[in-house]
Amino acid sequence: DAGVIQSPRHEVTEMGQEVTLRCKPISGHNSLFWYRQTMMRGLELLIYFNNNVPIDDSGMPEDRFSAKMPNASFSTLKIQPSEPRDSAVYFCASIPSSWLAGGPRSGDTQYFGPGTRLTVL
Amino acid sequence: TQLLEQSPQFLSIQEGENLTVYCNSSSVFSSLQWYRQEPGEGPVLLVTVVTGGEVKKLKRLTFQFGDARKDSSLHITAAQPGDTGLYLCAGWMDSSYKLIFGSGTRLLVRP
Repeated sequence: DAGVIQSPRHEVTEMGQEVTLRCKPISGHNSLFWYRQTMMRGLELLIYFNNNVPIDDSGMPEDRFSAKMPNASFSTLKIQPSEPRDSAVYFCASIPSSWLAGGPRSGDTQYFGPGTRLTVL
Repeated sequence: TQLLEQSPQFLSIQEGENLTVYCNSSSVFSSLQWYRQEPGEGPVLLVTVVTGGEVKKLKRLTFQFGDARKDSSLHITAAQPGDTGLYLCAGWMDSSYKLIFGSGTRLLVRP
């Protein structure tokens, strides 16, 4: 299996530009998560999709951030307009089931992608 | 303020030494996971613990979930350079459908 695929791996853009990050979850997985990781704030959950439906987007920093999952094999995270404080590593992760009924159970595995390192100048 | 505090933040030890990493909170979690992350990569799951007081062993790694499900520890016996990385604990809160990550412990094992 190819694992979770993210693109691009690195993105450098200027403040005010639109940025789109892409994620392909593992085939057959029902749930997808977007995270952001910075030195200051650590790893934070941004949004959680289950069967392509957003379950919790309370972690999305503000209206400049939006996420979509048009089908089971593709998701995007868009930042418009981007700001320097958005610079971070963005991870996508998927699980084969759902955590809506009690969260992770013994044996559950969340698979992370390699991340996209975003730099906003 | 971090909901899950990890200690220590940094740890540099010699190969062969033992170490313990702690993950503490005032909140109750229905389950807790431990991950290891290497530079330039995503976190990789090590274990999930779901029962208060549960102890799990993974080769030289021993994980324990506190009785009250508010804290956890990771003990490594005879650390090796390959154990070097960022260790993250993460707790699931049923009330918010969120996996909350700890602040992380950066471990360096010197040969």
